[in-house]
Amino acid sequence: DTGVSQNPRHKITKRGQNVTFRCDPISEHNRLYWYRQTLGQGPEFLTYFQNEAQLEKSRLLSDRFSAERPKGSFSTLEIQRTEQGDSAMYLCASSLVTSSYEQYFGPGTRLTVT
Amino acid sequence: EDQVTQSPEALRLQEGESSSLNCSYTVSGLRGLFWYRQDPGKGPEFLFTLYSAGEEKEKERLKATLTKKESFLHITAPKPEDSATYLCAVLYYSGGGADGLTFGKGTHLIIQP
Repeated sequence: DTGVSQNPRHKITKRGQNVTFRCDPISEHNRLYWYRQTLGQGPEFLTYFQNEAQLEKSRLLSDRFSAERPKGSFSTLEIQRTEQGDSAMYLCASSLVTSSYEQYFGPGTRLTVT
Repeated sequence: EDQVTQSPEALRLQEGESSSLNCSYTVSGLRGLFWYRQDPGKGPEFLFTLYSAGEEKEKERLKATLTKKESFLHITAPKPEDSATYLCAVLYYSGGGADGLTFGKGTHLIIQP
């Protein structure tokens, strides 16, 4: 049973550069979520997809952030013109559309903007 | 105002010393309350989902309970490997129909041998 995977696990970038992260959900899961977590805080919801449709975006998701899930399988999260405030752990989760609402998280991508 | 508040922020126990972690929530229209465990540098690991007041779930040394305003995670005779941050999250009916979880800040639990 393979869980949610994320790549890369760590990314260091300079301010102003663009970065892209990838998430591969649990294979039979049709919902995919992105969260951001900073030190000492719980994860904060950014956006989610059901299959390839992006159904919800948090106000935290500024115009510099874009997420895609082109074939309803893996997803990418791109941050353009990175800022130091973007430094965080970016977490991906997946779930089935059932009444249980359970979301299973990947290991995360740690982004450091210098 | 925080919608999910966890207490205490940190807790240090001796091995075998039972205790409880608290999660209080202010949202209405609760669809589910979730407990996760998170180890340093890793993603949250799912533990339990509770859906209605009075519900209880158990797993090894952990037991989660739910009332209309709060949930407790009881840890019985903990071991050092139970040391982690325990996160509580809620899913609720909102106007936007969002399905994102709203998390508390977590309780950092340390079990000393």
